Amino acid sequence: QQQVKQSPQSLIVQKGGIPIINCAYENTAFDYFPWYQQFPGKGPALLIAIRPDVSEKKEGRFTISFNKSAKQFSLHIMDSQPGDSATYFCAARGRNQGGKLIFGQGTELSVKP
Amino acid sequence: KAGVTQTPRYLIKTRGQQVTLSCSPISGHRSVSWYQQTPGQGLQFLFEYFSETQRNKGNFPGRFSGRQFSNSRSEMNVSTLELGDSALYLCASSLTPMGNNEQFFGPGTRLTVL
Repeated sequence: QQQVKQSPQSLIVQKGGIPIINCAYENTAFDYFPWYQQFPGKGPALLIAIRPDVSEKKEGRFTISFNKSAKQFSLHIMDSQPGDSATYFCAARGRNQGGKLIFGQGTELSVKP
Repeated sequence: KAGVTQTPRYLIKTRGQQVTLSCSPISGHRSVSWYQQTPGQGLQFLFEYFSETQRNKGNFPGRFSGRQFSNSRSEMNVSTLELGDSALYLCASSLTPMGNNEQFFGPGTRLTVL
């Protein structure tokens, strides 16, 4: 119940394409869903986050879509660039769970020029 | 504003030894969480500290411990190191543990156990 399942494990797209990364959860007590981007040798960097009372959120080229009834959420990267090549993690946090994020397994994205 | 800092960045230890890692949160942030990142298990929550008190704990053995000081800086300690403890240890800070405060990660400490 505490798991967050992320897919695909890896993804290759051409520059300008729209990679989509999906996550699914079981625990209905989760109420905060962030996405992190991690480059080799660096810590994860917060990209964008959403709460379940919102179905979509956009920040720059990054969009989260959230489907509360299906318990799924996804990250879309518009007009992807080679500099977006990184590992992306979805995560979830329960009410009153403070800093305890439950992470998906990660998606390694490669954007080809 | 300076980000989360972690020291040291790299450590090599041998089995049976103990190790202490340090984390300084973003100025003004009072909550510090620790995570272990490995290729096999991914990112796993270790524990969280707020106001010098452990507020939440993950599923790790008692060899993993931590503390927080009055200036919000935090340390984590791993005793009797095992080969499987080789990992990237990440610290994240947030303003408080309440609400949906964003968490910001440091660069991590890469621990290698030989």
